[in-house]
Amino acid sequence: DAGITQSPRHKVTETGTPVTLRCHQTENHRYMYWYRQDPGHGLRLIHYSYGVKDTDKGEVSDGYSVSRSKTEDFLLTLESATSSQTSVYFCAISETTGANTEAFFGQGTRLTVV
Amino acid sequence: GQQLNQSPQSMFIQEGEDVSMNCTSSSIFNTWLWYKQDPGEGPVLLIALYKAGELTSNGRLTAQFGITRKDSFLNISASIPSDVGIYFCAGLMDTGRRALTFGSGTRLQVQP
Repeated sequence: DAGITQSPRHKVTETGTPVTLRCHQTENHRYMYWYRQDPGHGLRLIHYSYGVKDTDKGEVSDGYSVSRSKTEDFLLTLESATSSQTSVYFCAISETTGANTEAFFGQGTRLTVV
Repeated sequence: GQQLNQSPQSMFIQEGEDVSMNCTSSSIFNTWLWYKQDPGEGPVLLIALYKAGELTSNGRLTAQFGITRKDSFLNISASIPSDVGIYFCAGLMDTGRRALTFGSGTRLQVQP
């Protein structure tokens, strides 16, 4: 299994509070991603990173920010959590070797905003 | 943004039957990946495809990269109960945003 650890695995928080999810990798992969998974929507990209301090927005980035201060860690922050951000969040990592790219996922963080 | 249309949305089959699912897009992708997700787990990579027309197998699974680069399919032969789960296709472009675009998934149920 790829070395990806998400923390926490489960969290319940109140509306309006800040929340930070952490993704840690031991594979030294360049690319890291945050997706959210909701019924009927599949996996939707929130933000991704293509290097230390290099990030870009995905299709559902509103209300989220990210930071990557070192290769192994990619943090997702909800500045002021809302009930619509209740979801399962997945971190993924990828690397390209030659013409081949593979991407691997963490086990997910289930976030409930009450 | 890019859209991947995955079908069917769900399937209920008998053990031993073959299964086929596919993804189509209006965009060209240079990589197609197929994942399986079990309940409460993250998606696990099954097969990766890198060349148009490529046909790749992984045990009872076979996937193909469409000639037009806008589609891919996954076949599962002789299904077994542990094949139950959600299968996702994902496409990756080599230019611009280097992030996977996912289909909405095919939920597979296998009746023993």
